[in-house]
Amino acid sequence: DAKTTQPNSMESNEEEPVHLPCNHSTISGTDYIHWYRQLPSQGPEYVIHGLTSNVNNRMASLAIAEDRKSSTLILHRATLRDAAVYYCILRNFGSGSARQLTFGSGTQLTVLP
Amino acid sequence: GAVVSQHPSWVICKSGTSVKIECRSLDFQATTMFWYRQFPKQSLMLMATSNEGSKATYEQGVEKDKFLINHASLTLSTLTVTSAHPEDSSFYICSARGTSASNIQYFGAGTRLSVL
Repeated sequence: DAKTTQPNSMESNEEEPVHLPCNHSTISGTDYIHWYRQLPSQGPEYVIHGLTSNVNNRMASLAIAEDRKSSTLILHRATLRDAAVYYCILRNFGSGSARQLTFGSGTQLTVLP
Repeated sequence: GAVVSQHPSWVICKSGTSVKIECRSLDFQATTMFWYRQFPKQSLMLMATSNEGSKATYEQGVEKDKFLINHASLTLSTLTVTSAHPEDSSFYICSARGTSASNIQYFGAGTRLSVL
């Protein structure tokens, strides 16, 4: 799977929007962009994913650059419960069913009250 | 979303004993489940891929005789840490892939293993 690059850490104030960037310059045409997050002492949690178009769900929005070489996860109003490590992961659509998600180091998001 | 249940959430054992961790997909069938290990301040590392009805596929450096994986049904996979030692103390997380084409993976809450 192609590699992603994320900042090690970011800070946000509570109730303000947060933009978490991810670079994936070697992305292929069949790579989905997935975002997961891991709260302290918990397993990862699916947040959102997309292929080419921007995506919205109840948790977040995903903005994908036109050339697909970068994406941004947007939390519209950060809460203290959003403090977590956020992972941006590429997953190839053509992968066999057994292909696993490969986690990088992610971005540690700190939300300040 | 789909639910993956992992049990126990926390276990303490003596060195030399074996510990079994269960992972269940509650509302979907999972032909493939994954086992990860996470040390403090580090990211998740894949240990093995568990396939229903067949042998697990282990990542390089993971001892298959030490970490026994059984995937006897479409909703249950187990990881047994045999003859546990303090260096096996870690956070173990299971995962199962959903059935949609998007390949979303759902994760258990993890098991904190402490070996004394």
